[in-house]
Amino acid sequence: ETGVTQTPRHLVMGMTNKKSLKCEQHLGHNAMYWYKQSAKKPLELMFVYNFKEQTENNSVPSRFSPECPNSSHLFLHLHTLQPEDSALYLCASSQDRVGEKLFFGSGTQLSVL
Amino acid sequence: EDQVTQSPEALRLQEGESSSLNCSYTVSGLRGLFWYRQDPGKGPEFLFTLYSAGEEKEKERLKATLTKKESFLHITAPKPEDSATYLCAVQSDPNTGFQKLVFGTGTRLLVSP
Repeated sequence: ETGVTQTPRHLVMGMTNKKSLKCEQHLGHNAMYWYKQSAKKPLELMFVYNFKEQTENNSVPSRFSPECPNSSHLFLHLHTLQPEDSALYLCASSQDRVGEKLFFGSGTQLSVL
Repeated sequence: EDQVTQSPEALRLQEGESSSLNCSYTVSGLRGLFWYRQDPGKGPEFLFTLYSAGEEKEKERLKATLTKKESFLHITAPKPEDSATYLCAVQSDPNTGFQKLVFGTGTRLLVSP
């Protein structure tokens, strides 16, 4: 596989559930990102990892918990989410943490009931 | 605070009917302005980076231009396959460390045969 792969593509969860989103990049990049995309709103940066270390947390609620075990894999653990958390969650990678040219996955469309 | 405003919100064109999309921005010091294309159900795909006023970049039917206050994405003789949402983003010139991309809400382009 090439590029940035995200699973699952779609996820429906209740407010009391715990789930995880997975992202894998095959580009040899050093930086990985989580973005949130809601309807009619700009892309919103959530977290940045560089060489497995979290370098940015954009004031994201603690019900979102990222994990980066290595430079190729990124997870977003979800627990006790709210309906307003329903959105498209996009993973991206870039060569370094300057964060210019981003390569995005296709996203996970999350619905919280 | 960096801001990006894109117009129009949506644009419908006939095949072959050329037009332009606008991206107005305010930023403390511009490091770069980026254009991405996003197809339904997919993540954004990088198109161009512009670094300084007067710069132009071209790719097939697309041409991006930059001034000190705005960028235009000109679409010449569009085809139905150009239908997508076009996103603009800016990155400030960082004094140190990471400076995130600030995205606009995008222009949804529909090209009819």
